[in-house]
Amino acid sequence: AQKVTQAQTEISVVEKEDVTLDCVYETRDTTYYLFWYKQPPSGELVFLIRRNSFDEQNEISGRYSWNFQKSTSSFNFTITASQVVDSAVYFCALTQGQGGSYIPTFGRGTSLIVHP
Amino acid sequence: NAGVTQTPKFQVLKTGQSMTLQCAQDMNHEYMSWYRQDPGMGLRLIHYSVGAGITDQGEVPNGYNVSRSTTEDFPLRLLSAAPSQTSVYFCASSPGVPARRGQPQHFGDGTRLSIL
Repeated sequence: AQKVTQAQTEISVVEKEDVTLDCVYETRDTTYYLFWYKQPPSGELVFLIRRNSFDEQNEISGRYSWNFQKSTSSFNFTITASQVVDSAVYFCALTQGQGGSYIPTFGRGTSLIVHP
Repeated sequence: NAGVTQTPKFQVLKTGQSMTLQCAQDMNHEYMSWYRQDPGMGLRLIHYSVGAGITDQGEVPNGYNVSRSTTEDFPLRLLSAAPSQTSVYFCASSPGVPARRGQPQHFGDGTRLSIL
């Protein structure tokens, strides 16, 4: 069985603060994929990033960065200098690789509120 | 770019009524799926399809039917609506099975369904 835990239900910050959203996963597979999605107040779900289990390099995209650590089974997401437009619910998700289930597992989401 | 189109966006039903939520994608994606999103529960997979003529159950299939007669369309049918099916429903697609190729999913804008 696989599991994704986003322990932070809601985070509230003031604009320009840095914020890290935690994602801890469980899987028995050696090949798997991790994702982050953003759901702004308008409701649509937007893909942000994918990582496969063999690529532990951290990634930076503008103010967004992701830290993947297999040793701690974590795939954390950091927003630097947060902005009001970053206010959204963020979901971490896991899918198994070759031979695994077709069913992706989503965390319960972290609601990020950025105050001006 | 239409992407994934869901209709209707909002619907109110009475208990016992049936209805079909429509989902269409114009990206020639093999994989399509239906999720429901409930407060604090994240996204839960209802049914999915890996290609025309092939469907399978997800985590919460009871009370729902699907069919996939074409690559483009993947309707979700509620057979006899119950208040427990009040939720936001998302349709998603991806070029290949997420688990096999690690492809991110493209989501529709959602259908907000209320069962009275």
